[in-house]
Amino acid sequence: EPEVTQTPSHQVTQMGQEVILRCVPISNHLYFYWYRQILGQKVEFLVSFYNNEISEKSEIFDDQFSVERPDGSNFTLKIRSTKLEDSAMYFCASSQPRDRSENAYGYTFGSGTRLTVV
Amino acid sequence: RKEVEQDPGPFNVPEGATVAFNCTYSNSASQSFFWYRQDCRKEPKLLMSVYSSGNEDGRFTAQLNRASQYISLLIRDSKLSDSATYLCVVTTSGTYKYIFGTGTRLKVLA
Repeated sequence: EPEVTQTPSHQVTQMGQEVILRCVPISNHLYFYWYRQILGQKVEFLVSFYNNEISEKSEIFDDQFSVERPDGSNFTLKIRSTKLEDSAMYFCASSQPRDRSENAYGYTFGSGTRLTVV
Repeated sequence: RKEVEQDPGPFNVPEGATVAFNCTYSNSASQSFFWYRQDCRKEPKLLMSVYSSGNEDGRFTAQLNRASQYISLLIRDSKLSDSATYLCVVTTSGTYKYIFGTGTRLKVLA
């Protein structure tokens, strides 16, 4: 079964440092996403990406965040100057385009990167 | 009102029991609905989509009530391995963004 791969599985960083979280989406998927989940809280949308540009982003996704698809396989999330409150599990996901049928798609999530900011 | 609301539980049920979860959503323009399962500190995994006519997958049955803006998940013959958090997910027309509920925690007891 195709998988979304995320690296690293756990990252510890000092406050103010930059981190890059990496993801390899499923190869024939066209939509890519980043979500985060703070411990004990719900999964929250950060950003969606299609056709080499951001298609939607949330209020959480402010100027310290950026995404990139540097080549044909990787999809990265950069946090420029990490804060303590950025500590969370970050999930990458990918999906097929929606078609005309109901519920035509569902995401596949990667196993996540646990980011700890100290 | 929260966009997607779920009873956080936990629901503690014995093996073999039938258990049902509900989820309500606030946006009447919501288009697609899913149930995901999340094990502790793991990624959400798609359990099933929810169709207007209702749908079943083995021991799992999902229902959608657009008029009352809720979806439900019924699990029959609960197994120990069903213990997890069940996440209700809603999307709206024109967006691929998932809106998650906080999840309902299920513990199936031996």
